[in-house]
Amino acid sequence: QQQVKQSPQSLIVQKGGISIINCAYENTAFDYFPWYQQFPGKGPALLIAIRPDVSEKKEGRFTISFNKSAKQFSLHIMDSQPGDSATYFCAATSPYTGNQFYFGTGTSLTVIP
Amino acid sequence: GAGVSQSPSNKVTEKGKDVELRCDPISGHTALYWYRQSLGQGLEFLIYFQGNSAPDKSGLPSDRFSAERTGGSVSTLTIQRTQQEDSAVYLCASSTPGGKKNEQFFGPGTRLTVL
Repeated sequence: QQQVKQSPQSLIVQKGGISIINCAYENTAFDYFPWYQQFPGKGPALLIAIRPDVSEKKEGRFTISFNKSAKQFSLHIMDSQPGDSATYFCAATSPYTGNQFYFGTGTSLTVIP
Repeated sequence: GAGVSQSPSNKVTEKGKDVELRCDPISGHTALYWYRQSLGQGLEFLIYFQGNSAPDKSGLPSDRFSAERTGGSVSTLTIQRTQQEDSAVYLCASSTPGGKKNEQFFGPGTRLTVL
């Protein structure tokens, strides 16, 4: 069963717009929620991450919003740029799940100039 | 090197042959993960090594897949009697579990094509 569900599968946004990608999880033991960015031909790279003791984390144009009660978290990319075009994966992990990372199925983001 | 390295970067093989994929993790990282990424798909967990503990093999799709990690460092993923459905990018990642930032560092992957 999919431990982390991600949507949408693909997203097209105009330059300067806001990109929003959503994830939902099942296991309340998860305590670390990273987002990874992957460019074609490259491995994923950590973009931003959050722990459930805060509801929001912002790093530059990237913000994670976290709703513990709803077991949902989302990535917001403000002022989206063509260089942000990539595949984004959310993930969740916890020492109580053996430190295994559970990844969402990915969102392909295209930012149109 | 500073990052995770994988070799070969590309591998083309014939159906039925065995292949070995290599991963060199970041020095000092105790955890090592293998994932499979099929075209346009997400990351499918295969196997996880943590220190000297028994590996978590729960993601291996069949007994044709195996992996080992020698000396707590380099890892080799072996696929025996390859099938066309094994064609994918195989990604390796390493990390130091626990602590404030539980970040996985990924290698560039090995693209496997089974003809």
